Amino acid sequence: DTQMTQSPSSLSASVGDRVTITCRASQGINNYLAWYQQKPGRVPRLLIYNASTVQSGVPSRFTGSASGTEFTLSISCLQPEDVATYFCQKYNSAPLTFGGGTKVEIK
Amino acid sequence: EVQLLESGGALVQPGGSLGLSCAASGFTFNTYAMTWVRQAPGKGLEWVGSISGSGERTYYADSVKGRFTISRDNSKNTLYLQMSSLRAGDTAVYYCAKDRRTGWELLLNYWGQGTLVTVSS
Repeated sequence: DTQMTQSPSSLSASVGDRVTITCRASQGINNYLAWYQQKPGRVPRLLIYNASTVQSGVPSRFTGSASGTEFTLSISCLQPEDVATYFCQKYNSAPLTFGGGTKVEIK
Repeated sequence: EVQLLESGGALVQPGGSLGLSCAASGFTFNTYAMTWVRQAPGKGLEWVGSISGSGERTYYADSVKGRFTISRDNSKNTLYLQMSSLRAGDTAVYYCAKDRRTGWELLLNYWGQGTLVTVSS
C-alpha cells in the first residue's frame, strides 16, 4: 500500500507569512492528491484536488503543486482564520490514505 | 443542499457490536460512492472503507476488515456501518463522506458532522 508522509507535523508562522506543507507518496499516484483543512472542532473541508485544482469557494491564497511523488500545499499570506490542521490524501485507488496532518498556528 | 447526518454513536463494551447510519439528502444518492472515515480523539484521519453507488463494490481498511461491514439502502438514501468485535482502538468520531462526482472517485467533498463511538468497559 502507498504511504503518505506529511511534514512538518506542526508549524507556527506570523500573519502574512507564506506557509508550505509537504506530502510525499511512497509510490506514484498520478497526481490523485487532495488537501483538506480541518479547523478546531470542525469537519474536514476539501481545499485542493488533482494536486493543484482549487475547490470552488476556497480562497486564492491556497495553492497546490506536484513534482513526481512530492506534493506541496502553500498558503501565500497566512490569515488568522487559516489556523487548522491540514491533511493530504491520495485517492488513485483504495485504500485511501491520509497523511498524518500538519497543525498550523499563528505565532 | 447536500446533507449527511450520522447517527448511532454510543458507548459500547470491548467485544461488542454497534451500527451507525448516515442519512443523505440533496443529491442523487445511488450515483455516488460513499466513504466512512474515522478520527480518534486528538488524532488524524483514518479511512475505514468505501462503497460504490450500487452497493456492489466495497473496500475496507485492513484494520477493520472482517469486523466492519458497509452497506447502503438506496431506497432510503442511507449509508450504514455495522461494527462488531469492537476494540478500544476503534474509539473515534466516525464520519460519512460523499464523493465529489458520480462514479468511483474516492475524493470526499462533503462530510457529515460525525458520530462518536467509544469502546470502553
